[in-house]
Amino acid sequence: NAGVTQTPKFRILKIGQSMTLQCAQDMNHNYMYWYRQDPGMGLKLIYYSVGAGITDKGEVPNGYNVSRSTTEDFPLRLELAAPSQTSVYFCASSGVTGELFFGEGSRLTVL
Amino acid sequence: ELKVEQNPLFLSMQEGKNYTIYCNYSTTSDRLYWYRQDPGKSLESLFVLLSNGAVKQEGRLMASLDTKARLSTLHITAAVHDLSATYFCAVGPYAGQGGSEKLVFGKGTKLTVNP
Repeated sequence: NAGVTQTPKFRILKIGQSMTLQCAQDMNHNYMYWYRQDPGMGLKLIYYSVGAGITDKGEVPNGYNVSRSTTEDFPLRLELAAPSQTSVYFCASSGVTGELFFGEGSRLTVL
Repeated sequence: ELKVEQNPLFLSMQEGKNYTIYCNYSTTSDRLYWYRQDPGKSLESLFVLLSNGAVKQEGRLMASLDTKARLSTLHITAAVHDLSATYFCAVGPYAGQGGSEKLVFGKGTKLTVNP
């Protein structure tokens, strides 16, 4: 049972480039989330989804987009990368208790 | 607005000692979660506390929730080096006021257990 799988684990982007972080879960969870973690700042919610076809903004959505075409997948797209998007990104899913199950994280550097 | 405050933010302790990490929050809630994060790794769920007075224990860690005091504690008993990590609490809204999309995380407590 893989849980939540994120790819890539590491990526370096140049300013203005775009990329997609992939996330897949095999726990049949309806809820999925994207967080970013900056040093000493805890976690901040970027986007979330309550089911296939339904997404909504979190606390820090600017510069990102998401889609949810299936229950399993929740990709995060970064458009026009900026240095402020240098961070570690975590995808997570949750079931009925609200307990979050996290992927291994994707470390993104924008130069 | 729900605010979550953890303290201390940094904790250095000796093996064999006991200590408590506190998680205070500002508005009514009946859902609280504790996570552990090792350096460079992801977050791992430790405890799910869903009612007033809930107490859960796993090994040397015990978590409790007092919804009236808006306080959760994570107690460490006879610490060992393997417990060195950053511990986060996360507080959810009261029932009916939203789901886990409204979880608010504390800034984390970095625990170092020295031999």
